[in-house]
Amino acid sequence: DAGITQSPRYKITETGRQVTLMCHQTWSHSYMFWYRQDLGHGLRLIYYSAAADITDKGEVPDGYVVSRSKTENFPLTLESATRSQTSVYFCASRKAGDDEQYFGPGTRLTVT
Amino acid sequence: DQQVKQNSPSLSVQEGRISILNCDYTNSMFDYFLWYKKYPAEGPTFLISISSIKDKNEDGRFTVFLNKSAKHLSLHIVPSQPGDSAVYFCAAPSGSARQLTFGSGTQLTVLP
Repeated sequence: DAGITQSPRYKITETGRQVTLMCHQTWSHSYMFWYRQDLGHGLRLIYYSAAADITDKGEVPDGYVVSRSKTENFPLTLESATRSQTSVYFCASRKAGDDEQYFGPGTRLTVT
Repeated sequence: DQQVKQNSPSLSVQEGRISILNCDYTNSMFDYFLWYKKYPAEGPTFLISISSIKDKNEDGRFTVFLNKSAKHLSLHIVPSQPGDSAVYFCAAPSGSARQLTFGSGTQLTVLP
């Protein structure tokens, strides 16, 4: 089924570990985004990408790394996880010329 | 500096009555606004939008009003239904990728 998917849906990791969250979309949308949702903050932008091999920082990029070698994939890596990165992470995509973003189901990450 | 603010964390209304969710913004350059709805354990889904050249947009039970002079928009749901119980986010696109800036959300509970 087409759409935008995220994996894993739930992840528990330890402080200092590297963890990668995956995002895959089947619409060939140009733009992809990573957000984190925390109580009282809504959704905050971590990184975004305008096309393959083009990425840029959002509001809260520290401690995260992204890559986009293929249009359909936009993985988010926490290089050395910290407890403050415990959150729910959402990936989104949109097509060029349209402001509506489509969101994945989210990944709940807990860093112990 | 929060450019998009939702000052009411929660709202409860009776089934059949009107729900009014409010959103304020500070950036006068915003030219488009979107409302998203989010159920627990799911990603946000697009609900309705409005361009800054309009003051009202209606889609079935949902109407968004924009008051540019007051930098205020509101989402009206009439009549409210129990299935409308969710968190509602307002958002505005800006920047080179038209990335979304979200408010902190309002939890709507519609009581049967």
